[in-house]
Amino acid sequence: EAQVTQNPRYLITVTGKKLTVTCSQNMNHEYMSWYRQDPGLGLRQIYYSMNVEVTDKGDVPEGYKVSRKEKRNFPLILESPSPNQTSLYFCASSLGTSQETQYFGPGTRLLVL
Amino acid sequence: AQTVTQSQPEMSVQEAETVTLSCTYDTSESNYYLFWYKQPPSRQMILVIRQEAYKQQNATENRFSVNFQKAAKSFSLKISDSQLGDTAMYFCAFAQYGNKLVFGAGTILRVKS
Repeated sequence: EAQVTQNPRYLITVTGKKLTVTCSQNMNHEYMSWYRQDPGLGLRQIYYSMNVEVTDKGDVPEGYKVSRKEKRNFPLILESPSPNQTSLYFCASSLGTSQETQYFGPGTRLLVL
Repeated sequence: AQTVTQSQPEMSVQEAETVTLSCTYDTSESNYYLFWYKQPPSRQMILVIRQEAYKQQNATENRFSVNFQKAAKSFSLKISDSQLGDTAMYFCAFAQYGNKLVFGAGTILRVKS
């Protein structure tokens, strides 16, 4: 089944404890992206990647890191999480890099205490 | 900066009736794509419909159709024969250069029996 998977789905952590949210797609998509969803703000892009070893900042990159060492994986790293990073996170992927339809993972709900 | 505005935070409709969700956007681009995504209580992001800006014909997908007014920068979603399963948050989104999605704040739709 073609899909985007994320792990974990739910995470409660404490301020400053490094964490990684994994994202993997099995559709051989070139483009991958991370978004965060907050009430009243919709979804906002954190980082994106147009191919292996090619990543760039979105609208809200502060406090996050990403890497794209393999085409299928695009992990999101929070080196020192803070309470304002409590949010619902989505990974998405698309076949191409120009206005293609993006397919979303199931989301990861993160609570930082 | 490109922005997407959904002016209706919440709406309700009776089962089997028709409802229209509004969306306006602001861009100086001439070539872009517009999307409606559905987010049910499961939080999964599901593509409902997409519209290419260069196409004058409005997109349709079964009970879902759009009214795309390019000059007015308006992109409304019409849901016909509303069903209980249509209850969800609906996001309007705009894809600009590259593949970045810019989302509106969302409209919560409740279908009542």
